[in-house]
Amino acid sequence: DAGVIQSPRHEVTEMGQEVTLRCKPISGHDYLFWYRQTMMRGLELLIYFNNNVPIDDSGMPEDRFSAKMPNASFSTLKIQPSEPRDSAVYFCASRSLGTGFGKLFFGSGTQLSVL
Amino acid sequence: DAKTTQPTSMDCAEGRAANLPCNHSTISGNEYVYWYRQIHSQGPQYIIHGLKNNETNEMASLIITEDRKSSTLILPHATLRDTAVYYCIHYGQNFVFGPGTRLSVLP
Repeated sequence: DAGVIQSPRHEVTEMGQEVTLRCKPISGHDYLFWYRQTMMRGLELLIYFNNNVPIDDSGMPEDRFSAKMPNASFSTLKIQPSEPRDSAVYFCASRSLGTGFGKLFFGSGTQLSVL
Repeated sequence: DAKTTQPTSMDCAEGRAANLPCNHSTISGNEYVYWYRQIHSQGPQYIIHGLKNNETNEMASLIITEDRKSSTLILPHATLRDTAVYYCIHYGQNFVFGPGTRLSVLP
């Protein structure tokens, strides 16, 4: 089991550029989550999907952020245009009811730096 | 508003038991309590979960009070590698993590 796979591990970009973060959940998991972590705000839930359908996106900070899950094995989080305040570690997590209600498996994260 | 409350930070001597408390007074009767930990720069890692009975696994023990309004995570013999931020969470929080407890295991 490869776990939740995120790419890239590190992303450095300039303000105004489009950024796309990618996530491959664990096979068979039916929930996928995107979190953002900063020193100031801690671990924030941005959005989560159930069976590829967005369920709650109330944590998405603004229209510059969008997330998609075109199939059960892939999700993207896009920021367009990016701003320096978007600098953070972005985590993807997946969950399967079969492994315990609420047991999340996190990826290693993407460290995003917007200059 | 469903949430949990944990101490901001705790210290523990290496080799001693670390007892991390969590208050979850808004938990519903069928909601499990989950504990995760996050070692610096890594993603949070699942530790243990429980409903009403005490639980133990290879990582830790979980004690849940009879009224289910609080719980304690126990690391029986803390090591330096247990230094991390520890989060408790229940489903009523809609997968929203609080700030957790920063545990420092001291040599």
